[in-house]
Amino acid sequence: NAGVTQTPKFQVLKTGQSMTLQCAQDMNHEYMSWYRQDPGMGLRLIHYSVGAGITDQGEVPNGYNVSRSTTEDFPLRLLSAAPSQTSVYFCASSSGPERGGQPQHFGDGTRLSIL
Amino acid sequence: AQSVAQPEDQVNVAEGNPLTVKCTYSVSGNPYLFWYVQYPNRGLQFLLKYITGDNLVKGSYGFEAEFNKSQTSFHLKKPSALVSDSALYFCAVRAPKDSSYKLIFGSGTRLLVRP
Repeated sequence: NAGVTQTPKFQVLKTGQSMTLQCAQDMNHEYMSWYRQDPGMGLRLIHYSVGAGITDQGEVPNGYNVSRSTTEDFPLRLLSAAPSQTSVYFCASSSGPERGGQPQHFGDGTRLSIL
Repeated sequence: AQSVAQPEDQVNVAEGNPLTVKCTYSVSGNPYLFWYVQYPNRGLQFLLKYITGDNLVKGSYGFEAEFNKSQTSFHLKKPSALVSDSALYFCAVRAPKDSSYKLIFGSGTRLLVRP
């Protein structure tokens, strides 16, 4: 029962570097999303996807890019890392057709520090 | 705009006593409401949800929540707290007509149960 798997668990980057955070789910869920968690701010939606080939922006999309070529995978790309992107990143997925009422399943997160 | 408020940063209770973690929301229409729990260095875990029907919802680990439409609240409760309930709790809301299925999270409440 892998659920939602995120890699890496920890990463340190220098300002200006790029990297990809990986997310994979084995539950055949249609809906996937990326959140960032910052102290005292809850979770904020970065990007989401309602199915393979379909992505859209959330609340805080600037500086991030996503693609959804398969149902299972939803990678998040940091184009040019900035210290403001230091955060914990969570990937989540949920099923349909009652997507609105289905709970999201979260990975264990990637802790990212930008120096 | 949709929003969720968790007015208490931390709730302290003694083991065996009842606990309440407060949540109020603002959303157009009838909301979908969720509670999640986060243990250290882990992702969020689903506890319970309210979609429609009975205002008292029962969830995992003995938790329950009461939906109050007139007060726009969805407080999390447990009759007898355990030390192992100590964690970070998030309330979240989704507008039923939001095609993005986006969850809006509160800022979180840390629950500390003392022995």
